[in-house]
Amino acid sequence: AQSVTQPDIHITVSEGASLELRCNYSYGATPYLFWYVQSPGQGLQLLLKYFSGDTLVQGIKGFEAEFKRSQSSFNLRKPSVHWSDAAEYFCAVVSMDSSYKLIFGSGTRLLVRP
Amino acid sequence: DAGITQSPRHKVTETGTPVTLRCHQTENHRYMYWYRQDPGHGLRLIHYSYGVKDTDKGEVSDGYSVSRSKTEDFLLTLESATSSQTSVYFCATTGQVPGEQYFGPGTRLTVT
Repeated sequence: AQSVTQPDIHITVSEGASLELRCNYSYGATPYLFWYVQSPGQGLQLLLKYFSGDTLVQGIKGFEAEFKRSQSSFNLRKPSVHWSDAAEYFCAVVSMDSSYKLIFGSGTRLLVRP
Repeated sequence: DAGITQSPRHKVTETGTPVTLRCHQTENHRYMYWYRQDPGHGLRLIHYSYGVKDTDKGEVSDGYSVSRSKTEDFLLTLESATSSQTSVYFCATTGQVPGEQYFGPGTRLTVT
C-alpha cells in the first residue's frame, strides 16, 4: 500500500536560514508527489508537484523539492526562510486507482524564529 | 482559487444529533473529496465522488454518508454524531491533473 512519512513533527529555524523538510514515500511505480502548505486556520495550498522528468522541481513562494528514487524521498527546501513561511507542510502521493485520492503524511509544523 | 466554499465554518453539536456539512464548488470539477484533519494524522479521506450520484468510501468512512445530486454540491452527513467525530473537515476538488487538489477553508466541528 502507498504511504508517506514525514519524520519531523516540528522544525524550528531562524529567519534567513535555509530549510529542508523531509518526506519519504512507499510506492512501487513512479509516484506523483506533492507538497501542500497550510497556514493557521486555512485550507491547504499546493506548493509544488512532481510527475516525471527533471527531479528538481520549483514551486511557489521560492520553494523547491528534489525527487530521489534511490532514497524514496521528496524533500522540500528553501534557501532563506521568511517569517511568513511559518505553517504546516504536508507531503502527499496520489493514488493511481480510480479515486485519485491524496495520501498524506502526518505533516511538519515549521516555526520561524525572528 | 477554485472557488470552493464550505458551510458552516464552525459548528458545535451534541452527541447523537445528525449533522450535515456542505461543500460548494464553482469550477465544474468532476472529483470531490471529504477529508478530516486530526493532530498527528494529517488528512484522511472520508468519502469521495467521481460524478453526480457517484460516490465511494475512503479510509475512515464509518459513521459518515455523502450525497452529490449536483456537480457543484457535495454533502457530508454524520447520521448520529459522536465525540470521536470532533475534527476539522476539508472539502477538496480535482481538476484535470490527478492529485492537484483545491481545498476549501474547512469546517471545525465539535461534538459535545
